[in-house]
Amino acid sequence: AQTVTQSQPEMSVQEAETVTLSCTYDTSENNYYLFWYKQPPSRQMILVIRQEAYKQQNATENRFSVNFQKAAKSFSLKISDSQLGDTAMYFCAFILVRSNYQLIWGAGTKLIIKP
Amino acid sequence: DTGVSQDPRHKITKRGQNVTFRCDPISEHNRLYWYRQTLGQGPEFLTYFQNEAQLEKSRLLSDRFSAERPKGSFSTLEIQRTEQGDSAMYLCASSFEGFSSPLHFGNGTRLTVT
Repeated sequence: AQTVTQSQPEMSVQEAETVTLSCTYDTSENNYYLFWYKQPPSRQMILVIRQEAYKQQNATENRFSVNFQKAAKSFSLKISDSQLGDTAMYFCAFILVRSNYQLIWGAGTKLIIKP
Repeated sequence: DTGVSQDPRHKITKRGQNVTFRCDPISEHNRLYWYRQTLGQGPEFLTYFQNEAQLEKSRLLSDRFSAERPKGSFSTLEIQRTEQGDSAMYLCASSFEGFSSPLHFGNGTRLTVT
């Protein structure tokens, strides 16, 4: 069975610090896509960053980057120069190429950025 | 704003009543998804449509739940004979076809069954 584990239920850091959110997943498949989504309080879920499993190079989007370790099945998210607006629930998810409709989601990490 | 919209934002109903939620996806998207999210959890897949065809339903979707997308545009999710365990946030998302296409979510409908 495919699963996603986010081992940090809640984290808090000071504004401008760097924070890393962990995510591990389990699948026997080789072709999949990984995602980090962000859900701010009372606002809609939005995509933060996406990684193709066949690419060795880690994805980056401005202050957001991932550390993708395929052999270890690890997909952590690093947020640099954190801002108050980064306060949100962060969900890690993946989708199998052979199953193009169903994202497998983690339980989320609540990230609080303190002023 | 041409994002995904959901109506209503909140719904309070008594156990045993029927409720219906509506989702208007991004017009260019041919895929539409329904998820359920409870507090402290990630979204749980319920069902998805490609155009007007409902291609997959989760085993979570009991026979009290039904979803439609009659013209391949907006979708409705109906829950009949609601139970307290149905209380959750119901999220709608849309995307282009393709496993790498990101989902665009609506704000959700929060259902409370008393």
